[in-house]
Amino acid sequence: AQTVTQSQPEMSVQEAETVTLSCTYDTSENNYYLFWYKQPPSRQMILVIRQEAYKQQNATENRFSVNFQKAAKSFSLKISDSQLGDTAMYFCAFTRSNNNDMRFGAGTRLTVKP
Amino acid sequence: EPEVTQTPSHQVTQMGQEVILRCVPISNHLYFYWYRQILGQKVEFLVSFYNNEISEKSEIFDDQFSVERPDGSNFTLKIRSTKLEDSAMYFCAATDRTVFGTQYFGPGTRLLVL
Repeated sequence: AQTVTQSQPEMSVQEAETVTLSCTYDTSENNYYLFWYKQPPSRQMILVIRQEAYKQQNATENRFSVNFQKAAKSFSLKISDSQLGDTAMYFCAFTRSNNNDMRFGAGTRLTVKP
Repeated sequence: EPEVTQTPSHQVTQMGQEVILRCVPISNHLYFYWYRQILGQKVEFLVSFYNNEISEKSEIFDDQFSVERPDGSNFTLKIRSTKLEDSAMYFCAATDRTVFGTQYFGPGTRLLVL
């Protein structure tokens, strides 16, 4: 069974600084997809970034980037130049393919301080 | 990002009543999913739906739950006889034909069972 672990329940960072959120997962699959979703107080799930396991290059979306270590089954999210609007819950998620359920970690609550 | 909409945004119901939650995907959407998130907890998979059939369901998705896409557009989740523990945020998600593996979430329906 696939499991996703986020070991940091809460984190904080000063505005404009960089923060890294950790995620590890367990799977026997070779091809899969990994995601980070942001959930602000409105509770909407917003896709931040995605990574395909067969791609060695780490995904980047503006201020957001990942460090994908396939052998270690690690998928961390780096937020650069943190902004107040980045304050939210962040969920790491895993899916095997297009027609499979998504497994979520327990989330990390990030607070960006002014 | 392919948009998924859900109605209603909030629903309050009495225990034992039936509720129907609706999801409106767009034409490019391929697979459909329902997830729930009890307040303060992780997002949990309920069911996936493809080609007018359930393709996968979790142990949470018991006989009290059903899904259908009756008119080829709206994708509904029905809870036949609500319990207090059904109070949660319910998310619809869909995958796009062009972005393999990524699930796009609707804004959610906040269900409160009294």
